[in-house]
Amino acid sequence: AAGVIQSPRHLIKEKRETATLKCYPIPRHDTVYWYQQGPGQDPQFLISFYEKMQSDKGSIPDRFSAQQFSDYHSELNMSSLELGDSALYFCASSLRDQWGPLETQYFGPGTRLLVL
Amino acid sequence: AQSVTQLGSHVSVSEGALVLLRCNYSSSVPPYLFWYVQYPNQGLQLLLKYTSAATLVKGINGFEAEFKKSETSFHLTKPSAHMSDAAEYFCAVTGNQGGKLIFGQGTELSVKP
Repeated sequence: AAGVIQSPRHLIKEKRETATLKCYPIPRHDTVYWYQQGPGQDPQFLISFYEKMQSDKGSIPDRFSAQQFSDYHSELNMSSLELGDSALYFCASSLRDQWGPLETQYFGPGTRLLVL
Repeated sequence: AQSVTQLGSHVSVSEGALVLLRCNYSSSVPPYLFWYVQYPNQGLQLLLKYTSAATLVKGINGFEAEFKKSETSFHLTKPSAHMSDAAEYFCAVTGNQGGKLIFGQGTELSVKP
C-alpha cells in the first residue's frame, strides 16, 4: 500500500539559510499534519491542513510557513534557520471520516534537518 | 486541554517476558487514544487505537491495550517480548473531533536475550 512520502530524507543547512520540506500524502487523503521531533523528545504538532486550508496551528515559529496544494501535497518552508531547528520533521496524512472524527494519522519516514 | 503521561522513559524486559508500558491521559472531552512505535531512524507506525468501540483494543505484533476511564489509563501490553520489539513507544491522545495528536514523552523498550 502507498505510504506518506517525504523529501528530502536528510538535509544539512547553515544558520540563517532557508529550507523547504515536502510531503506527499497517501492517495485520497485530504488532511496533512506536520510535527517536529527534537533529539530525544516526543513529536510536537506544528500545523495542519484540511482540503488545502489551514485547520490548526501549534507551536510553529513565525519563521516557518506551510501550505497544502491542489494535489494535496504540502510544503513546510523554514527561513532564517537556527541551530535549534535541527530535528526530525514528520508529516502525517489522514482522511476525515464523513461520519465522525474517526481518523487515523499515517506518518511518513521524516526529514532529518541538521542546521550547522 | 489534553495531555498524556508515560511512566518510565526506559523499560527493560527479558525475551519472552511480559511487556507493560504505562500511559495515563488527561482530557476534558472523550479521548481517542493511540499507541505508536518508532524504530531507530524511522517514522511512527500505528500499533493500535482506542475510539470508544471497545475498551480492550488489539493491535499489530501481538500488542493490546485496555482503556480504563476510572483510572484514566491506556496501558500497552504484550504477553511475550521479542527482540524485534525493541523500539521507542509513544502514547498519544486526540479529542473527539480528531485533529492534532498530543504525544507522551515516549518509553524506550529494551529486550534482553
